[in-house]
Amino acid sequence: GAVVSQHPSRVICKSGTSVKIECRSLDFQATTMFWYRQFPKKSLMLMATSNEGSKATYEQGVEKDKFLINHASLTLSTLTVTSAHPEDSSFYICSAATGSSGNTIYFGEGSWLTVV
Amino acid sequence: DAKTTQPNSMESNEEEPVHLPCNHSTISGTDYIHWYRQLPSQGPEYVIHGLTSNVNNRMASLAIAEDRKSSTLILHRATLRDAAVYYCILRRIGYFGNEKLTFGTGTRLTIIP
Repeated sequence: GAVVSQHPSRVICKSGTSVKIECRSLDFQATTMFWYRQFPKKSLMLMATSNEGSKATYEQGVEKDKFLINHASLTLSTLTVTSAHPEDSSFYICSAATGSSGNTIYFGEGSWLTVV
Repeated sequence: DAKTTQPNSMESNEEEPVHLPCNHSTISGTDYIHWYRQLPSQGPEYVIHGLTSNVNNRMASLAIAEDRKSSTLILHRATLRDAAVYYCILRRIGYFGNEKLTFGTGTRLTIIP
């Protein structure tokens, strides 16, 4: 079946640096990709929705200048956490979908970010 | 925006059926109902989805109310591996092709051996 892959699965970075997380759809073209963050034992929080070739749509309260999302191709989206701080430490998950709302949404394995 | 409401937690005995409810009273006619489940430190796993008719697959059944304002995910015979957080999601594609996902808070299902 379709697979969405995230990389890296775990990353540790120093406070003040930027870190990039990649999300790839391996065997299908994803017209839309979604980014979420999740704190321990909490629900997924949708951060933004990105359509290939256009700017991402951010959810209310999500800083677009801090969480840069790029969806340059139909198989790759990236999330860059800029000037990371310890409170940005979280589990980040992406998902990918084709254009029809009746199709399955495929989730990545998630990426653990720890900012020290 | 359409919202979904789920109980925070549920318990069930192993090998018994489980009915996980979801309310989505503001659902629109084009919203699909998706269910996913998540194990700790993993990405969500697809379970089932539907629009109006009840759906069955090898994992579960989805019962959708006639007015579509609620749905129920049915696990016919729960096993310990079914312990997870279950999310009810409405998926809508707007006129301009923009996507909107509306998450429930998720139901943490505990299976009692």
